[in-house]
Amino acid sequence: NAGVTQTPKFQVLKTGQSMTLQCAQDMNHNSMYWYRQDPGMGLRLIYYSASEGTTDKGEVPNGYNVSRLNKREFSLRLESAAPSQTSVYFCASSEALDAFFGQGTRLTVV
Amino acid sequence: RKEVEQDPGPFNVPEGATVAFNCTYSNSASQSFFWYRQDCRKEPKLLMSVYSSGNEDGRFTAQLNRASQYISLLIRDSKLSDSATYLCVVPTRGARGGGNKLTFGTGTQLKVEL
Repeated sequence: NAGVTQTPKFQVLKTGQSMTLQCAQDMNHNSMYWYRQDPGMGLRLIYYSASEGTTDKGEVPNGYNVSRLNKREFSLRLESAAPSQTSVYFCASSEALDAFFGQGTRLTVV
Repeated sequence: RKEVEQDPGPFNVPEGATVAFNCTYSNSASQSFFWYRQDCRKEPKLLMSVYSSGNEDGRFTAQLNRASQYISLLIRDSKLSDSATYLCVVPTRGARGGGNKLTFGTGTQLKVEL
């Protein structure tokens, strides 16, 4: 039972490069989320999707775009990576109020 | 005021001790709350939910104080394996009334020592 799968697990980017973080869930959940986690900052919500076809900004959306491709998949795109986007990124999904997380993507922008 | 606030710690306690964390929230309309556990460099995992009547699961007890707008997590007889960061989560209704937005506190770090 895979749950929430994120790819890649690790990535190093140069400033200005673009990339897409992929997330897929096999639990038939309606809601999906992207968070970033930095030391001392906790988990901060970037974007979320309450259902297929809808997306909304969270606390720190600047510099990111998202796509809810279908019910299973929710991708996060960095169009022009900056060193400030160095972080651990977590995708999560939920049906009710509790969430299931992927294993995270450790992104370094140099 | 932040939506969800926690004391970052660390709380260093000896094995066998009882330890409690609090989490304050700003939205008085919030009805349900959660505690998650996060081990170092791992994803957060649900520990327990907190509703008006509180919740107890073995050595762990979670309670809600609606008047003062905080929830608490009590861990009795601490084990070395309880060392982790404990995150408080408050769901709120999302934009346009759809779904839920899950807001996390910064987490409280617990270190249980021999």
